[in-house]
Amino acid sequence: DSGVTQTPKHLITATGQRVTLRCSPRSGDLSVYWYQQSLDQGLQFLIQYYNGEERAKGNILERFSAQQFPDLHSELNLSSLELGDSALYFCASSAQGGFGEKLFFGSGTQLSVL
Amino acid sequence: EDQVTQSPEALRLQEGESSSLNCSYTVSGLRGLFWYRQDPGKGPEFLFTLYSAGEEKEKERLKATLTKKESFLHITAPKPEDSATYLCAVQARDSNYQLIWGAGTKLIIKP
Repeated sequence: DSGVTQTPKHLITATGQRVTLRCSPRSGDLSVYWYQQSLDQGLQFLIQYYNGEERAKGNILERFSAQQFPDLHSELNLSSLELGDSALYFCASSAQGGFGEKLFFGSGTQLSVL
Repeated sequence: EDQVTQSPEALRLQEGESSSLNCSYTVSGLRGLFWYRQDPGKGPEFLFTLYSAGEEKEKERLKATLTKKESFLHITAPKPEDSATYLCAVQARDSNYQLIWGAGTKLIIKP
């Protein structure tokens, strides 16, 4: 058990809809990361937060947004969903989000857009 | 452009048959190279961090090594429970702390 909790584990929705994925980081970790993993794209970095502030942005679509709350949990919002958004979404956390830190990953949310 | 390439894409071994996985990288100033293990349907699990050429780290049947251009993950006398996808990632000096991930090597150990 990594200590990172993601909910829900599975999500099935229709095109055009909006969903919210939730992540609770490991106790004491201040940095949260969101990743998307699909069969043909591998692990793609979306966005990183550190202590409530956005630190880095990767290949995150404009239809996607995220935030980290004062209690350090994070939410990833996906809107106007398309078939191609179907993927496994991972949240990870680390202590400070700096160089050399290992990431602890949650078990992921499997999103299926029909 | 910073890049990480893993080979082979997949590797099938018999139990006890030792082998190596490769991770070659091109980055502007390496700050760290990471190995993770990922089981199907689960998140990646941290294995090792290597920081400089010549460094080696071991954990059970796994040994990771690092040169200036690549890293190897050596698997000695593997068991079926070592079957997983092994991911390599690098952190570069100008990457704003972000990891650049390889596509992974899917390792299958047959009993």
